[in-house]
Amino acid sequence: AQKVTQAQTEISVVEKEDVTLDCVYETRDTTYYLFWYKQPPSGELVFLIRRNSFDEQNEISGRYSWNFQKSTSSFNFTITASQVVDSAVYFCALSSTGGGNKLTFGTGTQLKVEL
Amino acid sequence: DGGITQSPKYLFRKEGQNVTLSCEQNLNHDAMYWYRQDPGQGLRLIYYSQIVNDFQKGDIAEGYSVSREKKESFPLTVTSAQKNPTAFYLCASRRDNYNEQFFGPGTRLTVL
Repeated sequence: AQKVTQAQTEISVVEKEDVTLDCVYETRDTTYYLFWYKQPPSGELVFLIRRNSFDEQNEISGRYSWNFQKSTSSFNFTITASQVVDSAVYFCALSSTGGGNKLTFGTGTQLKVEL
Repeated sequence: DGGITQSPKYLFRKEGQNVTLSCEQNLNHDAMYWYRQDPGQGLRLIYYSQIVNDFQKGDIAEGYSVSREKKESFPLTVTSAQKNPTAFYLCASRRDNYNEQFFGPGTRLTVL
């Protein structure tokens, strides 16, 4: 069975601080995919990134960066110089090939960025 | 613009009634999914369909039914057998040979 753990339920930071959201996963599959989604107050999930299990290269996109480490089964997400618009719930998710590419979600981390 | 639409945005239902949530996509995606989200929890898969006229149960299919008569449409019926239907329902779609799913705006269902 697959499992995703986001131990941080809620994080509060002051604008311009850096913040890291943790994600730990469990799977027996050798090929799998990891995702981060953002859920703003409107409710719609916004796709941020996908990572393949065979590609451990870290990725940076503007103020966002992702650190994938297979050795610790982690896929952490860092926001640099946070802004109020970053306030949302962030979900980490896992899927494998086959079986419909179903997503297994963590319980999410509520990020609050204050002025 | 291409995207996924869900209707209605808010839905109120009396106990004992069936209700159908709409999900339409014009992205030409093959696979479609229904998830349920409860407060403070992640999303849980209800049903999914990888091709027209075929669908599979997810982790929490009891009390729900779906159909996939057209590629663009994947309606979800919440039946009276669903014991605790009040939740936020999200529909998603995925292009064949790709792994990321894209989500609609969701329907918030409240049972009165």
